[in-house]
Amino acid sequence: DARVTQTPRHKVTEMGQEVTMRCQPILGHNTVFWYRQTMMQGLELLAYFRNRAPLDDSGMPKDRFSAEMPDATLATLKIQPSEPRDSAVYFCASAISYSNQPQHFGDGTRLSIL
Amino acid sequence: SQKIEQNSEALNIQEGKTATLTCNYTNYSPAYLQWYRQDPGRGPVFLLLIRENEKEKRKERLKVTFDTTLKQSLFHITASQPADSATYLCALYNQGGKLIFGQGTELSVKP
Repeated sequence: DARVTQTPRHKVTEMGQEVTMRCQPILGHNTVFWYRQTMMQGLELLAYFRNRAPLDDSGMPKDRFSAEMPDATLATLKIQPSEPRDSAVYFCASAISYSNQPQHFGDGTRLSIL
Repeated sequence: SQKIEQNSEALNIQEGKTATLTCNYTNYSPAYLQWYRQDPGRGPVFLLLIRENEKEKRKERLKVTFDTTLKQSLFHITASQPADSATYLCALYNQGGKLIFGQGTELSVKP
């Protein structure tokens, strides 16, 4: 079965450090999403891309977060500088098109900022 | 304000019984609603999609209903098994075309 791959699976770092999370979407999927999951807020959409172009990043704190898709096989989410409140599980998902199609999720990056 | 509400309390049932999970929403008019399953330490996995003009959708032991008048979807697992224990998330599209998730309901099926 094709899967969305996320790296790293776990990241612990100190406040102020740069964090980069990577995602390899399923081959052939042209839409990629970044979500953040916390106990308090649940699963929140941060940003998404279609055909590598950013369509919406309104869910993302602009001053410290950035999302890119350098090519069709790689999406990145960066936090600089990181803060303790960024601690969460970050999920990447991909879909064939952004409509009613199912989204396929990776297993997430569990991020802890000390 | 727009809200999606799922039972926040865990649902505990006996193996073989039918589990019924509820998803209520306010101030949305979704054309589609999806259900996902999430296991600890894993990402959500898509289960079923139901359209606004469909009253019911089935897949093996799973059944989903969608009542746009009540603004509610029910998710049923018949003949439940311990392996069905997980958190189940409903999700719907808002007017902006984004998929919005509920907080999820944790289901525990005891042998």
